[in-house]
Amino acid sequence: ETGVTQTPRHLVMGMTNKKSLKCEQHLGHNAMYWYKQSAKKPLELMFVYSLEERVENNSVPSRFSPECPNSSHLFLHLHTLQPEDSALYLCASSNPLAGGISEQFFGPGTRLTVL
Amino acid sequence: GNSVTQMEGPVTLSEEAFLTINCTYTATGYPSLFWYVQYPGEGLQLLLKATKADDKGSNKGFEATYRKETTSFHLEKGSVQVSDSAVYFCALSDQDDYKLSFGAGTTVTVRA
Repeated sequence: ETGVTQTPRHLVMGMTNKKSLKCEQHLGHNAMYWYKQSAKKPLELMFVYSLEERVENNSVPSRFSPECPNSSHLFLHLHTLQPEDSALYLCASSNPLAGGISEQFFGPGTRLTVL
Repeated sequence: GNSVTQMEGPVTLSEEAFLTINCTYTATGYPSLFWYVQYPGEGLQLLLKATKADDKGSNKGFEATYRKETTSFHLEKGSVQVSDSAVYFCALSDQDDYKLSFGAGTTVTVRA
């Protein structure tokens, strides 16, 4: 595997379910990100992790719980979601501590539908 | 704070037409500028980038020039193909900042 991978690619869940999204980066990067992409809305940054520590939480509801066990893996734990949480969830990684341009590399996303 | 404004779509073109997507930015420092592309059903891919004034980024026939005097980074392609149909995002990154500030995205559809 190369680049940034995300599983599952599609997820349908009820409002009472608990599920997790997984992201893995094979680029040796030290920062990882979760974004939410909803129809007709700008890309929303949710969480930022650097060296496995959360450095940003953009007022995301507590029903979204991130976890970064090591620099290659990032999870987003979901529980008691609402239908308006249906969206494409994108993971990205970058290497800002290496200096230079902090371009981000994105995974293909998980399409989440909450019923 | 930092912000990016790009032209609203959707944009519909015929094959071989000229494409321009306008992007302007506001930043406190000296940002790096990016264009990302999102093809249907996929994540975002970096299309091109520029790190300082007057730099020109180019890739796959697309070009954009970092214009500090007009705070702009317009994307252009001289002859589009059906395969260029996608959503295009302009973005900036300030020095020493983890975050990218994205524009709202412009949907481009190219008809055969």
